[in-house]
Amino acid sequence: EVHLVESGGGLVQPGGSLRLSCEVSGFIFGRFDMSWVRQAPGKGLEWVSGISADAGSKYYAESVKGRFTISRDNSKSTVFLQMKSLKVEDTARYYCARDLGMNTFGGQGTLVIVSS
Amino acid sequence: DIVMAQSPDSLAVSLGERAAINCKSSQSVLYSSDNKNYLAWFQQRPGQPPKLLISWASTRESGVPDRFSGSGSGTDFTLTINSLQPEDVAVYYCQQYYRAPVTFGQGTKLEI
Repeated sequence: EVHLVESGGGLVQPGGSLRLSCEVSGFIFGRFDMSWVRQAPGKGLEWVSGISADAGSKYYAESVKGRFTISRDNSKSTVFLQMKSLKVEDTARYYCARDLGMNTFGGQGTLVIVSS
Repeated sequence: DIVMAQSPDSLAVSLGERAAINCKSSQSVLYSSDNKNYLAWFQQRPGQPPKLLISWASTRESGVPDRFSGSGSGTDFTLTINSLQPEDVAVYYCQQYYRAPVTFGQGTKLEI
């Protein structure tokens, strides 16, 4: 069974930074692309970023390009999302998911609140 | 970016009846080299993470009831739910993974 545990969310002021982590089990992590998807309160899903299995390719939504950085540590079955210059509109629950698309989700996400 | 537009935004259907949700992409998501549509459907129940229902426009995931079906090609797709059950109350999203950035439709809220 695919198991993903997101962590690192919290309350941060506008302009601040956070680093999200997602620890994975239940599949061979190093063979799969990974993504971050977010959902603002009461809103729809927004794909944020993706990374290839070998970390050779990284992709970003326009809304976060230049501010967020995705990375992974295949030895620890963990994917990260470094978020900088956070804006109020980045407030959301952040999910990690397997694959770039047709994603498999397995965790409850981690809540990021950007507020002064 | 490829824009995904769903219709309707919300839908109320009686138990046992059929629901149909449409999804239109701003450009074709049919990849000519493999003749596959890079289109998925997700279900999100209240308070839960999204669940993948259908990939490649019409391939049901393991464990998904056969009352769920996907159809369409190119730019126009439909998710059909036959014989609606109480547990089908959810928000449904289409997603294209033809080209990065991956994009979702705005969601369709299905109610009884």
